[in-house]
Amino acid sequence: AQTVTQSQPEMSVQEAETVTLSCTYDTSESDYYLFWYKQPPSRQMILVIRQEAYKQQNATENRFSVNFQKAAKSFSLKISDSQLGDAAMYFCAYRSPSGTYKYIFGTGTRLKVLA
Amino acid sequence: DAGVTQSPTHLIKTRGQQVTLRCSPKSGHDTVSWYQQALGQGPQFIFQYYEEEERQRGNFPDRFSGHQFPNYSSELNVNALLLGDSALYLCASSTGRLSGYPTGELFFGEGSRLTVL
Repeated sequence: AQTVTQSQPEMSVQEAETVTLSCTYDTSESDYYLFWYKQPPSRQMILVIRQEAYKQQNATENRFSVNFQKAAKSFSLKISDSQLGDAAMYFCAYRSPSGTYKYIFGTGTRLKVLA
Repeated sequence: DAGVTQSPTHLIKTRGQQVTLRCSPKSGHDTVSWYQQALGQGPQFIFQYYEEEERQRGNFPDRFSGHQFPNYSSELNVNALLLGDSALYLCASSTGRLSGYPTGELFFGEGSRLTVL
């Protein structure tokens, strides 16, 4: 069974600085999807970025980028030029490409942005 | 474009009672998934509905049941509530296609916070 681990319960970053959130996963599959979701205090989960395992190039969305290390089963999220609005819970998630419809989430990392 | 809407936002029940939570998917979506998020934890998959049938189920007891209506909206029912059922219940919608692109990206509602006393 696949598992997702986020070992940082909480992280802090100064406004305008860069922070990296860690995520590792375990799977025997060769193809899969990985996601980072943001959950602000309003509770609504919002997709931040996604990565297809067959793509070697790391995904980027504006200030958000990932470092995808397939052999190490690592999928970290880098937030550049951190803003106060980035403060939230961040969840790493895994999904198989077919045969299952569920997402497997990590336990989350709470990001605090200091003014 | 209306996103995923859930109701109620908060509710309090006592042990042994039954609860029904409701979800309307994002416009254009035909698939609804339900997740349970306990305090301090990540969401856990309960089940997914597609074409009015339960397509896959997570590791939850039969006390958790659901339904999907012809307009794609969905209900989550929990019977014989336990204290441990206290959680945020998230509904997520997506399109029915699973493999290939798009990736069946989930769009979440704001959740229903259930407290069992």
